[in-house]
Amino acid sequence: SAVISQKPSRDICQRGTSLTIQCQVDSQVTMMFWYRQQPGQSLTLIATANQGSEATYESGFVIDKFPISRPNLTFSTLTVSNMSPEDSSIYLCSVQSEDYEQYFGPGTRLTVT
Amino acid sequence: GDSVTQMEGPVTLSEEAFLTINCTYTATGYPSLFWYVQYPGEGLQLLLKATKADDKGSNKGFEATYRKETTSFHLEKGSVQVSDSAVYFCALGYGNKLVFGAGTILRVKS
Repeated sequence: SAVISQKPSRDICQRGTSLTIQCQVDSQVTMMFWYRQQPGQSLTLIATANQGSEATYESGFVIDKFPISRPNLTFSTLTVSNMSPEDSSIYLCSVQSEDYEQYFGPGTRLTVT
Repeated sequence: GDSVTQMEGPVTLSEEAFLTINCTYTATGYPSLFWYVQYPGEGLQLLLKATKADDKGSNKGFEATYRKETTSFHLEKGSVQVSDSAVYFCALGYGNKLVFGAGTILRVKS
């Protein structure tokens, strides 16, 4: 299984600002995913990020709000833009192994005040 | 669309009790099924999986059987420990897409 790290682990931000979350994997992977886990709720897929192409966003999520970069096969960033209190969530990245198992990072706990 | 329904929690058990967490799914095709566990303050970990009907996934004393006829993937453990206290998520997946249930909180008392 892959080892995944995320930075920051948590942050408190003011509304209207932006935060960029980093995800680093210890091996090269084709697909990386970004999820949101709102307080007390399950995980919702935000987008899928392939290296060298635009991210694919799920219904309800747009690139202007959640721009994603994928500069190489071990790294990705998710930016939460123009934040509001409703963006307070845990944001998780994950990667997929060759046998379609997904492994998750520890998450970034974001609080917007 | 595809969906996963889990029993509501929290589930509170005494140590060494038998655990069942129910999970049923709705799917248009033939997904793989997963159980993930999230310990306090940590990220999600894959607990077990099953890729086709009648497969049994098992890990750390936990088991779940892929039941196509009842569209279920119930999680069981014969004797829980305090260290099993966590949130358990059932999920279905096609290729690179995962759909998660709402999660079930398990609390085990000593």
